[in-house]
Amino acid sequence: RKEVEQDPGPFNVPEGATVAFNCTYSNSASQSFFWYRQDCRKEPKLLMSVYSSGNEDGRFTAQLNRASQYISLLIRDSKLSDSATYLCVVNINYQLIWGAGTKLIIKP
Amino acid sequence: NAGVTQTPKFQVLKTGQSMTLQCAQDMNHNSMYWYRQDPGMGLRLIYYSASEGTTDKGEVPNGYNVSRLNKREFSLRLESAAPSQTSVYFCASSEIRSVNEQFFGPGTRLTVL
Repeated sequence: RKEVEQDPGPFNVPEGATVAFNCTYSNSASQSFFWYRQDCRKEPKLLMSVYSSGNEDGRFTAQLNRASQYISLLIRDSKLSDSATYLCVVNINYQLIWGAGTKLIIKP
Repeated sequence: NAGVTQTPKFQVLKTGQSMTLQCAQDMNHNSMYWYRQDPGMGLRLIYYSASEGTTDKGEVPNGYNVSRLNKREFSLRLESAAPSQTSVYFCASSEIRSVNEQFFGPGTRLTVL
């Protein structure tokens, strides 16, 4: 079993819709969690950290469920510019473990 | 601020050739990393340098060496390239090892024939 698993997608979503995807992790000692965004043929960039109580940044909401060992990302009112691959990242003992990413395509 | 820069952007090697990938950051970060990214897989850590003067192996170090030349620069060397090393290589930096945001360079697309 991979340490960090994501549905590769693609998720094809109409502009303006709400989309959510999850990421599961296997190591209960995981200490911190992040969502990165990667555009096609570009480098990853931090989208948001994920806090225990959940957190929101504009149209983006991240949640952590330690009991079930998953994190989620919700995007509301999706824009064409949200099309990208979203990478789930878990910090285990100061080493980042990266998921393979979920590809999101927003259609007009 | 340029952030994290990498050279070259693209490279084609023949099996057995050697090359060095260069990385520099101007954010005064302590920690630097080299990753490889392959289709369908997450980023995998090759080597990292938690602070100037130290380097450590990551998940996939075989076939690579690194040098932390100074606080700004961290190079990755392939001594004898193999087709299995065909990949996209990213350099990254952060203030403190893995605790906070990592900033990435634009990547090097390497093909080994």
